Amino acid sequence: ETGVTQSPTHLIKTRGQQVTLRCSSQSGHNTVSWYQQALGQGPQFIFQYYREEENGRGNFPPRFSGLQFPNYSSELNVNALELDDSALYLCASSLWTSSYEQYFGPGTRLTVT
Amino acid sequence: KNEVEQSPQNLTAQEGEFITINCSYSVGISALHWLQQHPGGGIVSLFMLSSGKKKHGRLIATINIQEKHSSLHITASHPRDSAVYICAVRSPETSGSRLTFGEGTQLTVNP
Repeated sequence: ETGVTQSPTHLIKTRGQQVTLRCSSQSGHNTVSWYQQALGQGPQFIFQYYREEENGRGNFPPRFSGLQFPNYSSELNVNALELDDSALYLCASSLWTSSYEQYFGPGTRLTVT
Repeated sequence: KNEVEQSPQNLTAQEGEFITINCSYSVGISALHWLQQHPGGGIVSLFMLSSGKKKHGRLIATINIQEKHSSLHITASHPRDSAVYICAVRSPETSGSRLTFGEGTQLTVNP
């Protein structure tokens, strides 16, 4: 059983650019959640996807968008990057039930200059 | 005020000491998670609990639903326990597996 993987590991972008981050879910998991973790802070919920549809969104602007594919892998897209978008982006996969564990990927460290 | 508050923010201990990290929350929950994050960034789930107490090795997690409070205890602490420990809750009012996190407690265990 493979774990949750994310790519790339690190990324440097310029303000105004667009970025796509990728996450492969743990085998059998149908729900993916994305979190943003600024330095020294706890993770903040961005959104989650279940069966290829966004189902739940945190306090993030529309320039944060995502996709979930039939194999349950997922992408996080951020347009018009701002300096404050610099953070560790974590994805977590799970089953669609409140009683199930979440499994986190290693994260993508995004730096916006 | 954050929905999930942890204390202390930073904790330094000597090897072998008993450690307690506290988490208080202000919302109704369906589950509470204790997570460990090492400097590389990856997060490992330690416990998920909705009542009572769980134990795994030297780690013990307790929760008091009435008081909206949970504690994570580490017995016989070791330098390899040095990490950030994060409390996170799942609300029954939100769908799926969305978590709300505390700010984390940075634990340093010195040899």
